[in-house]
Amino acid sequence: AQSVTQPDIHITVSEGASLELRCNYSYGATPYLFWYVQSPGQGLQLLLKYFSGDTLVQGIKGFEAEFKRSQSSFNLRKPSVHWSDAAEYFCAVVGSGGYQKVTFGTGTKLQVIP
Amino acid sequence: EAQVTQNPRYLITVTGKKLTVTCSQNMNHEYMSWYRQDPGLGLRQIYYSMNVEVTDKGDVPEGYKVSRKEKRNFPLILESPSPNQTSLYFCASSLYEGNGYTFGSGTRLTVV
Repeated sequence: AQSVTQPDIHITVSEGASLELRCNYSYGATPYLFWYVQSPGQGLQLLLKYFSGDTLVQGIKGFEAEFKRSQSSFNLRKPSVHWSDAAEYFCAVVGSGGYQKVTFGTGTKLQVIP
Repeated sequence: EAQVTQNPRYLITVTGKKLTVTCSQNMNHEYMSWYRQDPGLGLRQIYYSMNVEVTDKGDVPEGYKVSRKEKRNFPLILESPSPNQTSLYFCASSLYEGNGYTFGSGTRLTVV
């Protein structure tokens, strides 16, 4: 069975500081991996996705993520955080091979302080 | 505008009274899915559909039904709602399995 772990429930960073949100997954083969962002009162928006190829993927809003097979990780990064990045971030895994079962992590809430 | 539309946005109902939450997408997406979001639990998949008349259970299907008679619509049916189904519900659609989902704005359901 696939699973996703986001070990940090809440993270606080200063505006302008760098950010890294952790995501570890469990899946037998190479999965599809995603990061979504949810602003308060909103639905989820896709930030970026990975399946194969370059292990460093670029997304929207200046975010990037690195797939590390040896660590079963897909951490999200941003070099300089803006106050508007305050939101909740979810990592998700989808099993490849025509199977649409999607498993989300429990989310990491990001607070940005001036 | 490409979007997933859910209705209603807010719903308060009583235990046992059947209800339907509608979901429609205008992107001609093959895949559609329903999730519930609860504090501390993230999003959990209720049902998903890979095409018209093709649906399957997610992680938490008990107490829910779905149907996919048309490609654009994927309603969620609660035949006999109970208070433990109080939650925030999201519908989402995707062009193909690795493309990522486009989410609706959510339906906040309260069952009293």
